[in-house]
Amino acid sequence: GDSVTQMEGPVTLSEEAFLTINCTYTATGYPSLFWYVQYPGEGLQLLLKATKADDKGSNKGFEATYRKETTSFHLEKGSVQVSDSAVYFCALIPSGTNAGKSTFGDGTTLTVKP
Amino acid sequence: DAGVIQSPRHEVTEMGQEVTLRCKPISGHDYLFWYRQTMMRGLELLIYFNNNVPIDDSGMPEDRFSAKMPNASFSTLKIQPSEPRDSAVYFCASSSHSRGANYGYTFGSGTRLTVV
Repeated sequence: GDSVTQMEGPVTLSEEAFLTINCTYTATGYPSLFWYVQYPGEGLQLLLKATKADDKGSNKGFEATYRKETTSFHLEKGSVQVSDSAVYFCALIPSGTNAGKSTFGDGTTLTVKP
Repeated sequence: DAGVIQSPRHEVTEMGQEVTLRCKPISGHDYLFWYRQTMMRGLELLIYFNNNVPIDDSGMPEDRFSAKMPNASFSTLKIQPSEPRDSAVYFCASSSHSRGANYGYTFGSGTRLTVV
């Protein structure tokens, strides 16, 4: 079945450091790929998405590129802020008849220190 | 749009009591999902609906859990009787899948359930 594997956390960075959170997936066909962010006490929020190979999703300084050849969708940000401290989830939605149901990774906790 | 609305935000109940969680999805969304999140097990899909019809309830932990979606604008998740191990944050999410595109989920703010 489909699966999403994220780098294990927690990740701790200093403010203005470069962020990479790795995400790889297993799925048939051409799934859509997503990153969600969850701030303390809140629900998950869609951060960015990509729906086909080589697409780059971006939002709030975060970017991720859909790499079909390496089945990856790594999240990056050039300069993190304290306010980016949160849990980040990678997810996919398969193409085809079962297209409604997402598969989520386990989440990666990011802490940014001033 | 007000987003996905869940109620109540917090619920504290005694073991053995019935608990009902409520969700109003985004208007026009054709999928609705119920998730449970705990530190130990992370994010778990309990059940999901498509056009108000339950599609997959394999994540519902036991017969004490039931979910309904009587119309496109309302869903409930019921636990009867509740147990302390049901303590978790329960999220509702909705999404739209039309013309081959899916734009991701919109999550509600969750209901934090504590069973004592």
